[in-house]
Amino acid sequence: DVKVTQSSRYLVKRTGEKVFLECVQDMDHENMFWYRQDPGLGLRLIYFSYDVKMKEKGDIPEGYSVSREKKERFSLILESASTNQTSMYLCASSLLSSYNEQFFGPGTRLTVL
Amino acid sequence: AQKVTQAQTEISVVEKEDVTLDCVYETRDTTYYLFWYKQPPSGELVFLIRRNSFDEQNEISGRYSWNFQKSTSSFNFTITASQVVDSAVYFCALSDLAETSGSRLTFGEGTQLTVNP
Repeated sequence: DVKVTQSSRYLVKRTGEKVFLECVQDMDHENMFWYRQDPGLGLRLIYFSYDVKMKEKGDIPEGYSVSREKKERFSLILESASTNQTSMYLCASSLLSSYNEQFFGPGTRLTVL
Repeated sequence: AQKVTQAQTEISVVEKEDVTLDCVYETRDTTYYLFWYKQPPSGELVFLIRRNSFDEQNEISGRYSWNFQKSTSSFNFTITASQVVDSAVYFCALSDLAETSGSRLTFGEGTQLTVNP
């Protein structure tokens, strides 16, 4: 079975802190994605990566950065967390082609106080 | 730009009722894929179905069926004889080839389905 794991289910941070969200997949997928999910807005893509050290901005990259040093790991970084970044963060992975479905992790609910 | 619209924010039905979740999309691509995902209360999205733009045949899988109509840019999802376990948020999504490489999905807003006993 494809497995996508995220480092935390729940996280509470303070405004201004640097926050790292980690995602690991075990199926050798080329693509990895970070989304945030907010009520009424669906899933919005923050960043994605199609190869090691490669990244593409999604729809809402402001305030975020990413790192992909190894194929199986994709990190989302909030350089200086703000309260409007309180959200559910979902990581996903897939094979390269647009034909392929994405496999999702369980999500990290981040609260920024 | 790609866009997916799920106009129904919430639907509530009684068990054994049939329910249809609507999905309308916009794209300039001639080749694309449409997806449906289910997000149960546990939170992890689960893939349900994929349909490519050249295949307009309806698909049935048990109590689930999908109606893809290119003429109206719609990809609707019907659950027959709904059950409490069908309660979840359902997302429709559209594939989008990135400018450089790889691919991404554009998701709709999601429809919260509640099936009451």
